[in-house]
Amino acid sequence: DTGVSQDPRHKITKRGQNVTFRCDPISEHNRLYWYRQTLGQGPEFLTYFQNEAQLEKSRLLSDRFSAERPKGSFSTLEIQRTEQGDSAMYLCASSWPGQGAQETQYFGPGTRLLVL
Amino acid sequence: EDQVTQSPEALRLQEGESSSLNCSYTVSGLRGLFWYRQDPGKGPEFLFTLYSAGEEKEKERLKATLTKKESFLHITAPKPEDSATYLCAYYGGSQGNLIFGKGTKLSVKP
Repeated sequence: DTGVSQDPRHKITKRGQNVTFRCDPISEHNRLYWYRQTLGQGPEFLTYFQNEAQLEKSRLLSDRFSAERPKGSFSTLEIQRTEQGDSAMYLCASSWPGQGAQETQYFGPGTRLLVL
Repeated sequence: EDQVTQSPEALRLQEGESSSLNCSYTVSGLRGLFWYRQDPGKGPEFLFTLYSAGEEKEKERLKATLTKKESFLHITAPKPEDSATYLCAYYGGSQGNLIFGKGTKLSVKP
């Protein structure tokens, strides 16, 4: 168990460009979450997958954002036509549904995006 | 609107000076209160989950407690390596996404 991994760790892009981030969850976890965190704030929920199904999207997830988890393993988050307001840390978390009580979400190291 | 509020925003302690961080919540039907530690430039690291009022959990110099309206993270005799931002969160949404507070930034000086 190597934990949740994310790639790249840092991304600098120009406004208007498209970017794609990857998340590899803990291998036995079937739930995967994407969050966004800006400076001085806690993480904010973007979207959630159970296996390959995308079950919930936040209103923060504009139509420029799309997420996939094609085989129920790794996930990608794409941002099209980036804007300066997209600059943030993008965090991925994974979990395994607990029996009875809610499960714990384990976070990756994040991808820091800077849009110039 | 359900929300979680953390206080103070920042806390500076001398090494060995014990203190507490507060997390107050207004959500009804709490399904779990979580504490995470976050170092600069890194993802949150899970610390504790509390489910019911009166519950307590400990890990090294940290102890988390839960009442019906708030949770405390007690830090006993902190060391400089305890310096980090501490986040609390609860389960919101129908699918279990976490709702986070803004965090408390803790600095422990030697």
